[in-house]
Amino acid sequence: DIQMTQSPSSLSASVGDRVTVTCRASQSIRSHLNWYQKKPGKAPKLLIYAASTLQIGVPSRFSGSGSGTDFTLTISSLQPEDFATYYCQQTYSYTPYTFGQGTSVDVK
Amino acid sequence: QITLKESGPTLVKPTQTLTLTCTFSGFSFRSSGVGVAWIRQPPGKALDWLALIYWNDDKLYSPSLKSRLTITKDTSRNQVVLRMTDMDPVDTATYYCAHTLRDYDYLTGYYPRSFDYWGQGALVTVSS
Repeated sequence: DIQMTQSPSSLSASVGDRVTVTCRASQSIRSHLNWYQKKPGKAPKLLIYAASTLQIGVPSRFSGSGSGTDFTLTISSLQPEDFATYYCQQTYSYTPYTFGQGTSVDVK
Repeated sequence: QITLKESGPTLVKPTQTLTLTCTFSGFSFRSSGVGVAWIRQPPGKALDWLALIYWNDDKLYSPSLKSRLTITKDTSRNQVVLRMTDMDPVDTATYYCAHTLRDYDYLTGYYPRSFDYWGQGALVTVSS
């Protein structure tokens, strides 16, 4: 299995802060990396696919970068609606299509 | 507009078989590249991909659960069904279905681009 490790597991931030979440794959996954936002009681929402492509309708304050084994999700200016848990996922190899353990972004 | 909705029992007993149905609209298995996946999230835990079926009936399963899972589709009814046998309390989770499109990479072959539309989820509790 390809292991996906996110850091940090949680972070506290304020509205307007720049927030960065990191995801590391246990082997190269090239750019086959997606980011999702998950709020309690809601379905996950795709934010970014192919490491850096913004999903239609997602605000431009979200961005993704990286390739190979190291990836980053950045929120340039945190908004109240961005407090949530963020997950990375690899679709490079289906053994299986693993998610990271999640990064919870809460209010400082 | 793509929508998906999961349906099935909210409570199953240990050792029983769970059958979940995903009913969707806004896309069709008659279109090349279309796929539907099942993902679950146990309470307080991370997302966990389970299975995926494509328009051409190709099926993929999580290796750790493969012996317990069966995914099928009904093209005419716009439905995907997931069966999971021998349910255990650790299988208590919210189960989601999601839409995907198959893409191609010259190095790795075919892969799901992303899971871009999700259902609202169905909470399944396994308890006697």
